[in-house]
Amino acid sequence: NAGVTQTPKFRVLKTGQSMTLLCAQDMNHEYMYWYRQDPGMGLRLIHYSVGEGTTAKGEVPDGYNVSRLKKQNFLLGLESAAPSQTSVYFCASSSGTGRETQYFGPGTRLLVL
Amino acid sequence: AQSVTQPDIHITVSEGASLELRCNYSYGATPYLFWYVQSPGQGLQLLLKYFSGDTLVQGIKGFEAEFKRSQSSFNLRKPSVHWSDAAEYFCAVGAGDTGRRALTFGSGTRLQVQP
Repeated sequence: NAGVTQTPKFRVLKTGQSMTLLCAQDMNHEYMYWYRQDPGMGLRLIHYSVGEGTTAKGEVPDGYNVSRLKKQNFLLGLESAAPSQTSVYFCASSSGTGRETQYFGPGTRLLVL
Repeated sequence: AQSVTQPDIHITVSEGASLELRCNYSYGATPYLFWYVQSPGQGLQLLLKYFSGDTLVQGIKGFEAEFKRSQSSFNLRKPSVHWSDAAEYFCAVGAGDTGRRALTFGSGTRLQVQP
């Protein structure tokens, strides 16, 4: 049982390049989330999903897209990376029962030059 | 909308000393409250959570937190800090009655432990 895993762990992009971050969970969770963490700002919600085939915007969705084609996977895409997207990205999942704990992945550190 | 304030950005304590990290929340109904810890370069690990019932909650690694509704606070405590407790600590509030059930995090408190 690996919990929540994220790929890649670290990536450097040039402005304008695109990339996809992959999150996978093996706990059969319905809810999945993408957060970004910036110094002094805690974690902020980018997008989330309440089930396979559904996605919704969080607090800071601009510049990102997501897809949840399979229940266990949640992809975060950057179509045209900008320096402001330099951050650490965390994926999380939960069962969605209402009193659930969110389980976090180890994070992806992204640097956009 | 809910919010979380962690007033202390950085705290330094001596090993063996007691610790209290402050957390204040804003939410209209009964909140679900969490404390997470993040070691350098690592993800977030849940320390403890409060949903209802006993307002004093015990967690892992010897941590506890007390929910005080009148003060809108959920402070984290530990009677004797160990060097391995040096990390960043995040308080979070969850709104279980909303569709997304995402967490709102405070900005974090970085704990440094002096030998």
